[in-house]
Amino acid sequence: QQQVKQSPQSLIVQKGGISIINCAYENTAFDYFPWYQQFPGKGPALLIAIRPDVSEKKEGRFTISFNKSAKQFSLHIMDSQPGDSATYFCAASIGGGSTLGRLYFGRGTQLTVWP
Amino acid sequence: KAGVTQTPRYLIKTRGQQVTLSCSPISGHRSVSWYQQTPGQGLQFLFEYFSETQRNKGNFPGRFSGRQFSNSRSEMNVSTLELGDSALYLCASSLYSPSRLAGAYEQFFGPGTRLTVL
Repeated sequence: QQQVKQSPQSLIVQKGGISIINCAYENTAFDYFPWYQQFPGKGPALLIAIRPDVSEKKEGRFTISFNKSAKQFSLHIMDSQPGDSATYFCAASIGGGSTLGRLYFGRGTQLTVWP
Repeated sequence: KAGVTQTPRYLIKTRGQQVTLSCSPISGHRSVSWYQQTPGQGLQFLFEYFSETQRNKGNFPGRFSGRQFSNSRSEMNVSTLELGDSALYLCASSLYSPSRLAGAYEQFFGPGTRLTVL
């Protein structure tokens, strides 16, 4: 059973446009929601993360929007650039205690930004 | 500060063999997790170590095992390799903080070891 569902599977955006990737979860015990960016041949790199006590977090061109009641969160990439072309993964974890934050990943979104 | 390092980067084995992968976490990080990444299953959690103890284990057969040393370095072993074990194996380290301080959850991944089983 996929604990975190991610959509779309692929996304094509024009340079300068906004890229939006959505994720949904069921387990209300999740308390940490990171996004990772992965380029071919590389490991995932932590992009931005949010805790459920805030509804939005912004870092540069990247914004996470979090809707606790709907159990959904999304990544917005403003002014998308060709260099943003990569696979993006959302994830969720239950931090602290004995689990130390095992990450449950979405299936990934292949983003292509056309110049 | 150096990132997570994994060795070797590429490995080719045949069915039935065993393999050992190594991971050195970021200096000061005490928690190490392993993930398997395949096109079909995505990123799947293998296990997690803290203070040389396995704290959590994913849904993988007993052929997959690991350990952590006193310097936080970790190894994972796969015995009796199968074709389906071909994957990118990723190690992630984190600065575990029992007080749940900001940044305690952040996991940083290494470049991975690409294992091909023939």
